[in-house]
Amino acid sequence: NAGVTQTPKFQVLKTGQSMTLQCAQDMNHNSMYWYRQDPGMGLRLIYYSASEGTTDKGEVPNGYNVSRLNKREFSLRLESAAPSQTSVYFCASSADGSSYEQYFGPGTRLTVT
Amino acid sequence: GQQLNQSPQSMFIQEGEDVSMNCTSSSIFNTWLWYKQEPGEGPVLLIALYKAGELTSNGRLTAQFGITRKDSFLNISASIPSDVGIYFCAGYPDLYSGGSNYKLTFGKGTLLTVNP
Repeated sequence: NAGVTQTPKFQVLKTGQSMTLQCAQDMNHNSMYWYRQDPGMGLRLIYYSASEGTTDKGEVPNGYNVSRLNKREFSLRLESAAPSQTSVYFCASSADGSSYEQYFGPGTRLTVT
Repeated sequence: GQQLNQSPQSMFIQEGEDVSMNCTSSSIFNTWLWYKQEPGEGPVLLIALYKAGELTSNGRLTAQFGITRKDSFLNISASIPSDVGIYFCAGYPDLYSGGSNYKLTFGKGTLLTVNP
């Protein structure tokens, strides 16, 4: 059981480039989440997917898009990266909305120059 | 939105000492979670609390869900060097306070350093 996996682990982009961060979970969880972590700001929710086929905005969705590809996979896309999107991105999953325990992946460290 | 105030921001202790940290809010929470994050890693869930007054242990860690439902506490007994990391509290605000079953609110963390 790998839990929540994320790729890539590190990425450097130039301003304006696009990329997709991948996340997969093998716990048969219904709900998945994308967070960003910045110094002094803590963890902030970007988007979440309560169940396969649904996505909703979190606290800081601007500049991002998401796709819930299937029950296992939830991707985060930056269409035109900006330096303000330099951050560590974490994917998480939970069984469903009534099971409150969220389990996190190892993170993707993104630098936008 | 709801905010969680976590204190202290950092602690530097000697190996073997006990540690206490807490999280408070002006809103009622219906679930509290405690996570530990080590450098370069994702947060790892340590303890989950679901009822006011609940006291739950995980090895040397003990956490409590405050009676008022507006706070939670984490204690670590007999600290060891591998306890080093950032400890985060997180919670789900009560639905009547504008909470959601999907939107966790996080504290900003307590950085724990243990001197061997």
